[in-house]
Amino acid sequence: NAGVMQNPRHLVRRRGQEARLRCSPMKGHSHVYWYRQLPEEGLKFMVYLQKENIIDESGMPKERFSAEFPKEGPSILRIQQVVRGDSAAYFCASSPSRVEQYFGPGTRLTVT
Amino acid sequence: GQQVMQIPQYQHVQEGEDFTTYCNSSTTLSNIQWYKQRPGGHPVFLIQLVKSGEVKKQKRLTFQFGEAKKNSSLHITATQTTDVGTYFCAGSDDGNKLVFGAGTILRVKS
Repeated sequence: NAGVMQNPRHLVRRRGQEARLRCSPMKGHSHVYWYRQLPEEGLKFMVYLQKENIIDESGMPKERFSAEFPKEGPSILRIQQVVRGDSAAYFCASSPSRVEQYFGPGTRLTVT
Repeated sequence: GQQVMQIPQYQHVQEGEDFTTYCNSSTTLSNIQWYKQRPGGHPVFLIQLVKSGEVKKQKRLTFQFGEAKKNSSLHITATQTTDVGTYFCAGSDDGNKLVFGAGTILRVKS
């Protein structure tokens, strides 16, 4: 059973460009979470999704950020018009039951 | 909103010494989870505690959940170099989202 997959692993964007981060949950997991982590800091919750539904997006900035988890395909975290402050590691986690979360390897976003 | 504080921020120990990290929540939790993240890696689930006063053990690791379900601790007996990493607690008070502590970075000198 493959683990949670995220791609790309590293992403470099210039200020003003768009960043698209993909997450494929583990097979059979219908709960997906996105987190953001700055160096040597904890994980900040961004959004919790189930298939086709956003359950809780209280941690996601209201502007420029959006997330989806379509019926088919991976979950996408989209950041429009990136700024330097968006540089961070973005982790996706999936869960079968809202208990333990299985994290992907993360996408390291660098905005130049 | 819910806040989870974790101390200490850093801990350097000699191999063989014990290590403890503490976690406190501003609200009563429905459950608390612990994760370990190796340098450059991703968080890995260790355990979940649900019941008031619960104590669970995994080999040299002992996890406790406070009676009021607002605090927790992780204790490692006789640390080894493989224990190096950042240990995070994460609590949920609404069953939806986990709020993570800032983590305790453990370094072990051999």
